[in-house]
Amino acid sequence: GDSVTQMEGPVTLSEEAFLTINCTYTATGYPSLFWYVQYPGEGLQLLLKATKADDKGSNKGFEATYRKETTSFHLEKGSVQVSDSAVYFCALRRVDRGSTLGRLYFGRGTQLTVWP
Amino acid sequence: NAGVTQTPKFQVLKTGQSMTLQCAQDMNHEYMSWYRQDPGMGLRLIHYSVGAGITDQGEVPNGYNVSRSTTEDFPLRLLSAAPSQTSVYFCASSSSGGSGTEAFFGQGTRLTVV
Repeated sequence: GDSVTQMEGPVTLSEEAFLTINCTYTATGYPSLFWYVQYPGEGLQLLLKATKADDKGSNKGFEATYRKETTSFHLEKGSVQVSDSAVYFCALRRVDRGSTLGRLYFGRGTQLTVWP
Repeated sequence: NAGVTQTPKFQVLKTGQSMTLQCAQDMNHEYMSWYRQDPGMGLRLIHYSVGAGITDQGEVPNGYNVSRSTTEDFPLRLLSAAPSQTSVYFCASSSSGGSGTEAFFGQGTRLTVV
């Protein structure tokens, strides 16, 4: 079945360091891929997405490229800030032909802490 | 624009008690779902609905009931709370089941069962 595996945390970085959080997926067909972010005490919110192979999603300095050949969607940011401290979730959604169902499958989340 | 609203934000129950977690969205979304979030487990799907009157089970449905009588509301009922149901619960909605559709989440309900 469909699944998402992401890098276990926690990840601790100094401000302005480079960030990579790895995410790989298993799915048949052509899923859409997402990164969601959860700030302390809040619900999840969409950070970026990509809906087809080789698409790059980007937002707030974060980027991720949909790589079908390696079934990956790694999250990167060139220079992290203290305000980026949060939990990051990789997710996929696929819709079967003839179905309206599009479940989201989440990875386990990666806690990022950025120190000044 | 309220988005997805969950109530209550915090709740403590005794084992065996029942309660309903409320979820309402004002975006006219067809697709709604309930997740539970536990440390190291990510988000696991409890139940979901693709429209009023239509619900189905997710990965971890045992101990929970849902119904969907209107497009806006999707309550989650715990019939007899157990300590294993201590968790943070999130409701989410999206406009369709299409693969690229963004899901909007509520702020969560932190439930403790003692």
